[in-house]
Amino acid sequence: AAGVIQSPRHLIKEKRETATLKCYPIPRHDTVYWYQQGPGQDPQFLISFYEKMQSDKGSIPDRFSAQQFSDYHSELNMSSLELGDSALYFCASSLGGTGKNSPLHFGNGTRLTVT
Amino acid sequence: AQTVTQSQPEMSVQEAETVTLSCTYDTSESNYYLFWYKQPPSRQMILVIRQEAYKQQNATENRFSVNFQKAAKSFSLKISDSQLGDTAMYFCAFMKPTRHTGTASKLTFGTGTRLQVTL
Repeated sequence: AAGVIQSPRHLIKEKRETATLKCYPIPRHDTVYWYQQGPGQDPQFLISFYEKMQSDKGSIPDRFSAQQFSDYHSELNMSSLELGDSALYFCASSLGGTGKNSPLHFGNGTRLTVT
Repeated sequence: AQTVTQSQPEMSVQEAETVTLSCTYDTSESNYYLFWYKQPPSRQMILVIRQEAYKQQNATENRFSVNFQKAAKSFSLKISDSQLGDTAMYFCAFMKPTRHTGTASKLTFGTGTRLQVTL
């Protein structure tokens, strides 16, 4: 079965640079979530989109922005990168909307290293 | 806001034995969903099992089962016949239901329990 696809798998950037992470949800899934997982920590919710509109916002820095496109894929844009942004970034997808509450299916993550 | 607590940072179990991982949560919602996710060394996040709060019957998935105590707000995971491949970080997670079109329910994770299965 098709899974959530994230690219790139690994990314190395320098401080103050910009990074773009991409996420392709499971076909027919209309909801995308972004999570950040620091070393030895639990995943922290950043932002979610349902039907191309922002649905919920968590602890996402102002330096980060995201959107969901017409084909339901999503991109997380990160600017002015800091050393503390080094983490594993997960994208997850689900079937959203009232009453569905389907479980989140995660991609393999993008490991971002900021040097 | 919902909180999820996993009080066991690390646990160890011998192969073929049974182990139980604890999870408690706090919420004012009457209906919600609880999950256990597994994160092996590959760092993939894999859904292990799901429980809907309005269902009294405990969920089971092969060797994995839960003990859901709604009144106590407890949601433990039992792994039977442990295998080396079960070695992973296990996260308990909470999701409240969507009520409005245009919203998406996010997961709130606990801090995880690192499980080591030994020979």
